[in-house]
Amino acid sequence: SYELTQPPSVSVSPGQTARITCSGDALPKQYAYWYQQKPGQAPVLVIYKDSERPSGIPERFSGSSSGTTVTLTISGVQAEDEADYYCQSADSSGTVVFGGGTKLTVL
Amino acid sequence: QVQLQESGPGLVKPSETLSLTCTVSGGSISSYYWSWIRQPPGKGLEWIGYIYYSGSTNYNPSLKSRVTISVDTSKNQFSLKLSSVTAADTAVYYCARVWRIAAAGAYWFDPWGQGTLVTVSS
Repeated sequence: SYELTQPPSVSVSPGQTARITCSGDALPKQYAYWYQQKPGQAPVLVIYKDSERPSGIPERFSGSSSGTTVTLTISGVQAEDEADYYCQSADSSGTVVFGGGTKLTVL
Repeated sequence: QVQLQESGPGLVKPSETLSLTCTVSGGSISSYYWSWIRQPPGKGLEWIGYIYYSGSTNYNPSLKSRVTISVDTSKNQFSLKLSSVTAADTAVYYCARVWRIAAAGAYWFDPWGQGTLVTVSS
């Protein structure tokens, strides 16, 4: 199976834009998904199929894809957005893989 | 809306078999795929495997030799068994519903259960 690579940490001031990247060789051919996980809680889906936002997820969360990199963008970051973020994809055989996670710190 | 709840022993001895059950409420287990995912303390997420309500499965190659996932549609439950456990299997275990687009090889997870911590120790 392949790997997904995320930066360990991203820091941003409130109101600014946070961008979290995820790189993987199969991403041009496979969709990516993003999950938010706050301490002591289960992950929550925030983006699916590269750029779709589930109902109930604020509009400030968006996703994009370019080549082997997908990006989660959080516009107008709020203190409540401080969390770990994981990207996820799957290969053609249905084997699922997660990125290592990125800790978003709101300064 | 669909809710998932994991249950099972919180402590398992080394070399024994870890057994967990996920109970699905607010909807039928039929017509969906269901998955187990784990997270060692302080570390990232690891996919374990998924099962279709009909019983077909797909497992993480790194765990395949030790994993069995089964489903009981009459109880709206699915289960995980992980054999020959070691301290490296200590983790929070989550169950989740799988969304799938077969033609695109797309799989994602929503919602998730709250998770249950399983510690492997003598």
